Amino acid sequence: EAGVTQFPSHSVIEKGQTVTLRCDPISGHDNLYWYRRVMGKEIKFLLHFVKESKQDESGMPNNRFLAERTGGTYSTLKVQPAELEDSGVYFCASSQEARYWNEQFFGPGTRLTVL
Amino acid sequence: GENVEQHPSTLSVQEGDSAVIKCTYSDSASNYFPWYKQELGKGPQLIIDIRSNVGEKKDQRIAVTLNKTAKHFSLHITETQPEDSAVYFCAASGSGTSYGKLTFGQGTILTVHP
Repeated sequence: EAGVTQFPSHSVIEKGQTVTLRCDPISGHDNLYWYRRVMGKEIKFLLHFVKESKQDESGMPNNRFLAERTGGTYSTLKVQPAELEDSGVYFCASSQEARYWNEQFFGPGTRLTVL
Repeated sequence: GENVEQHPSTLSVQEGDSAVIKCTYSDSASNYFPWYKQELGKGPQLIIDIRSNVGEKKDQRIAVTLNKTAKHFSLHITETQPEDSAVYFCAASGSGTSYGKLTFGQGTILTVHP
């Protein structure tokens, strides 16, 4: 069974440009999460989808970030316009059931560098 | 909201020694505490977890203890091996409508010397 996949693995853009990150969860997982790790700090929660609906978007830093999950399958996270402080590693995770103890399976991450 | 503190930030041990990583949390409503291991170039991988109705859980060389009164939990790795070298993260979740949100500690870089 394929794990969580993310694309691209690495993106380098200039300040002010737009970047779109993609996450494909494990097949059949209704729950999809986005997290971010900035400059060796802790991994921080961004948002949680249950199917195509946003269950919790309390971690989204500002309106330059837009996450979508049309059809309840893959998800995209768009940053527009990108700022220097957006650099970091963006992780996607998925879990099967909507229970707090359900294991979240993480993808390898997308390393975003904003110059 | 929840806040998780993790110590130490780096830990260096000799192969065969034990390693202990400690975390404290602030939200008494949290009731699920997973530990993740992250190797270079990979995403975090769950290695063990514990729920609030359990005080201790063991899986081979790895164990986790939880003290809900003191709001702290710890990871114990015995008979460490070089392949245990990685970054370890503790996390907490399970509170209210943000039940899926994992709040992570800052991470511990564990180095096991052969």
